[in-house]
Amino acid sequence: QVQLVQSGAEVKKPGASVKVSCKASGYTFTGYYMHWVRQAPGQGLEWMGWINPNSGGTNYAQKFQGWVTMTRDTSISTAYMELSRLRSDDTAVYYCARDRGGAEIDYWGQGTLVTVSS
Amino acid sequence: DIQMTQSPSAMSASVGDRVTITCRASQGISNYLAWFQQKPGKVPKRLIYAASSLQSGVPSRFSGSGSGTEFTLTISSLQPEDFATYYCLQHNSYPQLTFGGGTKVEIK
Repeated sequence: QVQLVQSGAEVKKPGASVKVSCKASGYTFTGYYMHWVRQAPGQGLEWMGWINPNSGGTNYAQKFQGWVTMTRDTSISTAYMELSRLRSDDTAVYYCARDRGGAEIDYWGQGTLVTVSS
Repeated sequence: DIQMTQSPSAMSASVGDRVTITCRASQGISNYLAWFQQKPGKVPKRLIYAASSLQSGVPSRFSGSGSGTEFTLTISSLQPEDFATYYCLQHNSYPQLTFGGGTKVEIK
């Protein structure tokens, strides 16, 4: 069965970076796109960007350009999202989400809580 | 970037009520709109795609309509399991996506 298993919770200091992983199983990793979405505590969903695991091509929300990097390692069917220069308002649950194409998002990771605090 | 404005941001309703949630796009997006439901502590679940097509397995009391810049999600008879937060998602500028701000449906 399709599973997206994300890395565990992180606590970071302001100014640091965080790298969240999303390991896919149960399907051909390179056959589906992957989005990253975050949700601050008690807030709504915010789209961060997209990666094509086959080509490695990326597309980021304008807000995150210059400080988010999405990569993948096809040998281990894992996508990564790295966010740099963390601030307290980056405290959120970060999700990966599989896309069959055309924003047909059908599976989500369980979420990774990133807490930014001094 | 395309902005999506959802209204209301929160509402109280009773079981059996008809509920309508609106989403407005800052520019025309044809029918490239989906609706998601999220319950506390859970991941979002897609209900509607292409503005008005019901996702397989979703109860028929959910329906979507609209095109261009104005869209509606309707729950014809609210059930206890429908109390949740609902989000619209535009994908006209795919792979760029934009979520609406969300509508929390609470029990009156």
